[in-house]
Parts: sequence; structure tokens; C-alpha cells
Amino acid sequence: DTAVSQTPKYLVTQMGNDKSIKCEQNLGHDTMYWYKQDSKKFLKIMFSYNNKELIINETVPNRFSPKSPDKAHLNLHINSLELGDSAVYFCASSHYADTQYFGPGTRLTVL
Amino acid sequence: AQSVTQLGSHVSVSEGALVLLRCNYSSSVPPYLFWYVQYPNQGLQLLLKYTTGATLVKGINGFEAEFKKSETSFHLTKPSAHMSDAAEYFCAVIANTGNQFYFGTGTSLTVIP
Repeated sequence: DTAVSQTPKYLVTQMGNDKSIKCEQNLGHDTMYWYKQDSKKFLKIMFSYNNKELIINETVPNRFSPKSPDKAHLNLHINSLELGDSAVYFCASSHYADTQYFGPGTRLTVL
Repeated sequence: AQSVTQLGSHVSVSEGALVLLRCNYSSSVPPYLFWYVQYPNQGLQLLLKYTTGATLVKGINGFEAEFKKSETSFHLTKPSAHMSDAAEYFCAVIANTGNQFYFGTGTSLTVIP
């Protein structure tokens, strides 16, 4: 079984649209994350949730909104998509400060 | 506050040669240190980690790293590079309080046949 899964794997959309990326982990972890990886492979933390509570909210546009319906899920909703949002988005989970387990990524392309 | 510096965004080695990827960190509290590998079009996966105890840690695929507190370093090594080692490598530091963590900017390893 996949430990951390994300859907969709690819997302191609027009500027101005709203889209969501879903993430689920079956590891029983208490902390989940969203990262953005740009074309130069630089990995930037966006959000972190611990037991459904937001604990890290880096400086990202407020067009990005995470939603955690339960400990196993952390979804990312993006409003009014812009060209600069094109990137690979990774979900990850961990037990507290231990190893983070990453999903396979969602490649978002904004046209 | 924590930070991570990976020296060399691109490293090339010949097949069979030593692999050395450098990572230096700064941390105001005892850190947990990690190396992750990312193969093309995949997510990151753990290579190895240091939390406490033995400072030389061994990971998957023949990699190892040594925590040197005096040098604030956690360099990744492998005695003999294999073509399959070509990937992006990330060093990460996490405060053992769990609420602050940073990933390095990554090092792309190329293995030349």
C-alpha cells in the first residue's frame, strides 16, 4: 500500500482557475506538510499541520489554503492560479520531528 | 534558528569513484540531521539520519554520513559511485524540539560512465 499518496499526479490548467490537490497518508503520522519544488529543484515548505492544527505557515500567497479534514488528510486549494504557481507540489508526513515520508508529487502547469 | 548549506549544486564523479556531498548546518539546539535522495520524477526518500548516539550513520545503497559537531557538518559519502546513484540529494536539519526544520538547496549528482 502507498504510504503517502497525492492526486492528481499531473494538473494542467488556465490562469485564473481554482484547483485542489489531495493528500492522504496511511502511516498513522501526526504531522503533514506541503512543499513546493521549483524548476531548479529548490524545495520550499509551505504549510505544516500537526493533529489537524496549522503549525507552520510560511510566507505564501493567501490564494493557497490548506485544509485538514482529519489527521490522515491534508488538501491544498489554490485560488486564481498564476503562471508562477507552476511547480511540483509534494505532500509529506512524519511522526513529530522524525523522518518525513513524501508523496510522489503533483506537477502543476498553469497556462 | 537553523539553516542548512549544501556546497556545490552540481557534483560529477566517475563510476567507481568516491562520492562526497557536503552539508553544513547551524542550529541553536541539538539537531536531527537527514539526507534525502530524489530520483527523477519521484518524491524524496530517506537515505539516512542522525538523531543521537553513534555519529557515523549508515544508510541505504551504501551511503553513510558522519555528524561532526565541532565542524557543524554532516557530509554524505559513498566509496564507489554507481550509475544508479545519479539523483538530487537534499540535506535537512530539524531542531529536536520538532518545530523548526530546513532543507538545503540540493546537490545534483551526475555519475559519468
